[in-house]
Order: sequence, then structure tokens, then C-alpha cells
Amino acid sequence: KQEVTQIPAALSVPEGENLVLNCSFTDSAIYNLQWFRQDPGKGLTSLLLIQSSQREQTSGRLNASLDKSSGRSTLYIAASQPGDSATYLCILTTGTASKLTFGTGTRLQVTL
Amino acid sequence: NAGVTQTPKFRILKIGQSMTLQCTQDMNHNYMYWYRQDPGMGLKLIYYSVGAGITDKGEVPNGYNVSRSTTEDFPLRLELAAPSQTSVYFCASSPATGLNTEAFFGQGTRLTVV
Repeated sequence: KQEVTQIPAALSVPEGENLVLNCSFTDSAIYNLQWFRQDPGKGLTSLLLIQSSQREQTSGRLNASLDKSSGRSTLYIAASQPGDSATYLCILTTGTASKLTFGTGTRLQVTL
Repeated sequence: NAGVTQTPKFRILKIGQSMTLQCTQDMNHNYMYWYRQDPGMGLKLIYYSVGAGITDKGEVPNGYNVSRSTTEDFPLRLELAAPSQTSVYFCASSPATGLNTEAFFGQGTRLTVV
């Protein structure tokens, strides 16, 4: 059974810092991995999608990497802003229909 | 592009009432999912569908029913609402599994059962 763990569970940083969120998974047979953010009381917003054949994807201040062999993905946020405060989820797509497997989430707070 | 649309956004139900949460996607996705998210918790799969006419149970199906008569629509039915069903419900869709499969989520329905 695929298990997806995100470390740290919570993180508080001052504005302007660069930071890394981690996502670890136990089964490397994935199709892709997506990073989402969820704002309190809101839905999920897709940030980046990395196909299993890719190593990284970039969008603005965000960079996501994928290392299937070690079962890890990282989300790098450069020059963090208070507006980045949210819960970040990694979600894996695997071969069977029901398998959108969710990470445990990292709650990020960026302070002024 | 509308993407995945859920209605209603909010609803308060009395114990024992029934309701249907609507989910529609306009991307011609085969796969659709219903999740619930309890406060401070992760998302749990209720039901999913791999195509019109096909549905299957997820982790927490008790108290819910679904149907998939068309590719676009995947309604979730609560027959006898209970306080334990107070939660935020998310519908999601994705194309048939593949390398470029991207999941899309609706904005959620916040349900309170009193």
C-alpha cells in the first residue's frame, strides 16, 4: 500500500526565506506527482505536476523535484511571502483508478 | 474553463434529512472521485468512478450513494444525514490514468448536520 508522508507537518518562517517541503512515498510505481495548496476553508489549487519520467518542474518562485528511486519529492519556495501561507499537499497518481494518494500535508505560515 | 463544479457550496441539514451533492466536470474525464475532509484531517475517499455506469467504494462509503449516468456528472447522495457526516466534501476528476494525468478538484461543499 502506497504511503505518503510529508515533513515537516508544520513550518513557520519569516518573510523572504527560501524553504523546502518534503514528500516521501513508499511505492515508486507512480504515474505522476502533483503539489497542491489548500487555503483554510477553501479548495485545492494545483501548483505543479511532475510526470514520473521528469525530474523537476518550475513555476515562478516554485520548483518541484522528483526522485522516484529514493521515493522523494521536494517543493522549493523561493523568497517566501505571507500569501504563501497555506497547507501544501503532495498527491500521487498510481496505476489503479482509486489511487489518488494524498500526502499528510505541511502547514506553512510565513510571518512578516 | 469551468473545470470541476460543485454545488452547493454550503448546506446545513437536520439529522435524518437527505440531500444530493452535485459534481460536474466539463473536461471529458473518465475518472471522478468524492472525498471528505474532516477538520484538521486529510482527505478520505468515499466513492470513485472510472467511467459512466461504473462506480466503486472507497475507504469510507457508509451512509453515501453515488451514480454515474453520464461522463460529466457524479452526484453524491446522503440518504439519512448524521452528525458524523459533517465535513467538507470535495469532488475531483482526472483523465484515464497516464503520465500526464492531472487531478482537478472542485471548490468543496461544506456540510453541517445538526
